[in-house]
Amino acid sequence: EPEVTQTPSHQVTQMGQEVILRCVPISNHLYFYWYRQILGQKVEFLVSFYNNEISEKSEIFDDQFSVERPDGSNFTLKIRSTKLEDSAMYFCASRADSLGEQYFGPGTRLTVT
Amino acid sequence: GENVEQHPSTLSVQEGDSAVIKCTYSDSASNYFPWYKQELGKGPQLIIDIRSNVGEKKDQRIAVTLNKTAKHFSLHITETQPEDSAVYFCAVSPGGSQGNLIFGKGTKLSVKP
Repeated sequence: EPEVTQTPSHQVTQMGQEVILRCVPISNHLYFYWYRQILGQKVEFLVSFYNNEISEKSEIFDDQFSVERPDGSNFTLKIRSTKLEDSAMYFCASRADSLGEQYFGPGTRLTVT
Repeated sequence: GENVEQHPSTLSVQEGDSAVIKCTYSDSASNYFPWYKQELGKGPQLIIDIRSNVGEKKDQRIAVTLNKTAKHFSLHITETQPEDSAVYFCAVSPGGSQGNLIFGKGTKLSVKP
């Protein structure tokens, strides 16, 4: 069964450093998303991406964040200058079309020290 | 924006009993209501969903009901098993969105053998 994959599974970085979290959505899916989950809290929407551009973003997704689909398979989330409060699980998700189910990857645990 | 409330935050049942988790939402234009199961260290996994034109949907031991007038929906798990133990999240896709999901705070379900 096709699945969303994410790398790395765990990333440790120092405050102020840039990080790139990588995702490979399910092949042939057209809609892509990033969410984050601070430990013990709910999953929060960050950004949606369709047709090679951001279609929607939340208040959390400020100028420190960016997303990119550099080729036909990868979907990345970049945090330009990490803060302690960026420590969280980051989940990538994808769906096939506007009515399809959203499938989540296993997540990347980001720890900012 | 959309606000999703989920209750209870924790639920403990005996194996074989039923479990019910409830969510309310605020945006009457919301049109898609999935439920996700999250096991420790993993990403959310879709277990059942319902759209606004349907009042109830069932898949083996799992069912979801939707009351659009009252703006609430519920997850029902019958004949619970220890492997049902996990955190369950309801989510709502706001009307007019690109499919981004607004999550409830989660319910930690424990099924005791």
